Amino acid sequence: SYVLTQPPSVSVAPGQTARITCGENNIGSKSVHWYQQKPGQAPVLVIYYDSARPSGIPERFSGSNSGNTATLTISRVEAGDEADYYCQVWDGSLGIFGGGTKLTVL
Amino acid sequence: QVTLRESGPALVKPTQTLTLTCTFSGFSLSTSGMCVSWIRQPPGKALEWLARIDWGDDKYYSTSLKTRLTISKDTSKNQVVLTMTNMDPVDTATYYCARNGRGNSYAFDIWGQGTIVTVSS
Repeated sequence: SYVLTQPPSVSVAPGQTARITCGENNIGSKSVHWYQQKPGQAPVLVIYYDSARPSGIPERFSGSNSGNTATLTISRVEAGDEADYYCQVWDGSLGIFGGGTKLTVL
Repeated sequence: QVTLRESGPALVKPTQTLTLTCTFSGFSLSTSGMCVSWIRQPPGKALEWLARIDWGDDKYYSTSLKTRLTISKDTSKNQVVLTMTNMDPVDTATYYCARNGRGNSYAFDIWGQGTIVTVSS
């Protein structure tokens, strides 16, 4: 079965760049979506189709996907970016989420 | 403006059947390419996709839960209903419905606020 592997946590200082990875064999052949979830809130789509940004999402959020790893990059990190981040793909008709990464802004 | 709202019981007993309703506005599930999914999140844990129903009434289920799940839609009421049988305490979670569609590679672009379901006797 398809399993998406994310690091449990990533820490970064304000103003620096955060990179959150999502790994699985040949994930580059799939469309990867990324969601941000703050405590007590529903998830919000921040990147879809590997690197597309929904309306209203800052340009600081970007995505890439190649080979066995997809990456969400957050540039010039702000305190408000502190949240859990989840990657997601469709394996055929099955929805698959990664285990989530807690981004801590130091 | 697209919105989704989940409704259902906050508390169910073990072995009971859970019925959740997702009422949406701002789009039509009869539009080609449109879908609605259910996703849940146990306290402190990751998101888990449960089921999806498409504009053409195609239905897809989580492999591990498919024997317990049924998803259906009422296009005239703009509602999607999920039933889960034989509830267990491990099914305690926040249950979300979300829109997804072919236009954005089936990403979940709009989510409901979620409804908390506790399974306890």
